[in-house]
Amino acid sequence: AQRVTQPEKLLSVFKGAPVELKCNYSYSGSPELFWYVQYSRQRLQLLLRHISRESIKGFTADLNKGETSFHLKKPFAQEEDSAMYYCALGNTGFQKLVFGTGTRLLVSP
Amino acid sequence: DSGVTQTPKHLITATGQRVTLRCSPRSGDLSVYWYQQSLDQGLQFLIHYYNGEERAKGNILERFSAQQFPDLHSELNLSSLELGDSALYFCASSGSLGGHGYTFGSGTRLTVV
Repeated sequence: AQRVTQPEKLLSVFKGAPVELKCNYSYSGSPELFWYVQYSRQRLQLLLRHISRESIKGFTADLNKGETSFHLKKPFAQEEDSAMYYCALGNTGFQKLVFGTGTRLLVSP
Repeated sequence: DSGVTQTPKHLITATGQRVTLRCSPRSGDLSVYWYQQSLDQGLQFLIHYYNGEERAKGNILERFSAQQFPDLHSELNLSSLELGDSALYFCASSGSLGGHGYTFGSGTRLTVV
């Protein structure tokens, strides 16, 4: 079964501080992992996917298969980063994406 | 605009009623996924259609049903509505089977009173 765990419901940091949003997954197959961002209950937007190893808006995430983790990081948080962040796991054949419960990031000035 | 269109944006209806939510996927996308987002349950996968055929089912209630039409738009039908069905319902689409991630619509906010 697929499972995604985001242990923090809320992460509050000051502007300019480093940010790490944790994501752990459980899946017996080869995982495909994504990070989505949602601003003020609007539509979810794809932020990162692990296969492309890209950096979007200063965010990066590395898949660690040994620790079954896909933590999202940014060295210097900005106020506009305040949003809900969801980690998601795709199964083989991508019949569905399973989302974690989300972490609300609050960046204060 | 993400390219995924959901209508209506807001819907208020009474308990016991039936509603239909509509989703038009991004041009060229064959897969449509439906998710329910509520405050206490987070994002719950409901159902996936690929080119008109059901591919996967999540925790979708028997009172809910969906279909994807030949023009690839999809409808989610919710019947015998209960207060607990109040939520944001998102549709997402992807090319082929979603390996590049999904594109989400803006959602339909359903309020059952």
